[in-house]
Amino acid sequence: AQSVAQPEDQVNVAEGNPLTVKCTYSVSGNPYLFWYVQYPNRGLQFLLKYITGDNLVKGSYGFEAEFNKSQTSFHLKKPSALVSDSALYFCAVRPRWDTDKLIFGTGTRLQVFP
Amino acid sequence: ETGVTQTPRHLVMGMTNKKSLKCEQHLGHNAMYWYKQSAKKPLELMFVYSLEERVENNSVPSRFSPECPNSSHLFLHLHTLQPEDSALYLCASSRSAGGNRDYGYTFGSGTRLTVV
Repeated sequence: AQSVAQPEDQVNVAEGNPLTVKCTYSVSGNPYLFWYVQYPNRGLQFLLKYITGDNLVKGSYGFEAEFNKSQTSFHLKKPSALVSDSALYFCAVRPRWDTDKLIFGTGTRLQVFP
Repeated sequence: ETGVTQTPRHLVMGMTNKKSLKCEQHLGHNAMYWYKQSAKKPLELMFVYSLEERVENNSVPSRFSPECPNSSHLFLHLHTLQPEDSALYLCASSRSAGGNRDYGYTFGSGTRLTVV
């Protein structure tokens, strides 16, 4: 079965420190990969995506993500966390062969402490 | 605003009520989706409409009834719901199959539904 795993329910990091939010997937082929962020009482906002090419993709608000094909991972990173980065982060995968389907992980809550 | 508008933002309804959720987009997208977000669960895809035709229904109970009258509007009609249906219901839109599938979705802010 196709799935996306975010192994950490919550990640805590001090402001100014680097952060990593993990994501692995089990989807055949070469899917498109996405990260979304959800702030309280809001819908999901697009952060970044991997389609093809360079394994390191850069997105909004200073976030970046590294695609690793052999490990089927797409970890979200930021060199220096801000308190305002505190939110719920979702990894999502879109199979190239399946129309209109976006498969989400369970989400990881990022808490950045001052 | 993202370009996808959902109303109402909050809804409290009894188990015998009938209500509808509304979603509207003016992004030129031709696919629209309903998702259910419950705590500590992956987002659950409920319905997919592509070019105004329903292309997917993920075993959703019949007490949820979608309607897509045109490519800009999507409704979710609710009747005789259960307390476990309380959740955040998210609408999303995208460019559909046949177009570029490397695009992600644009989400609305959601409707927080509480069934009492």
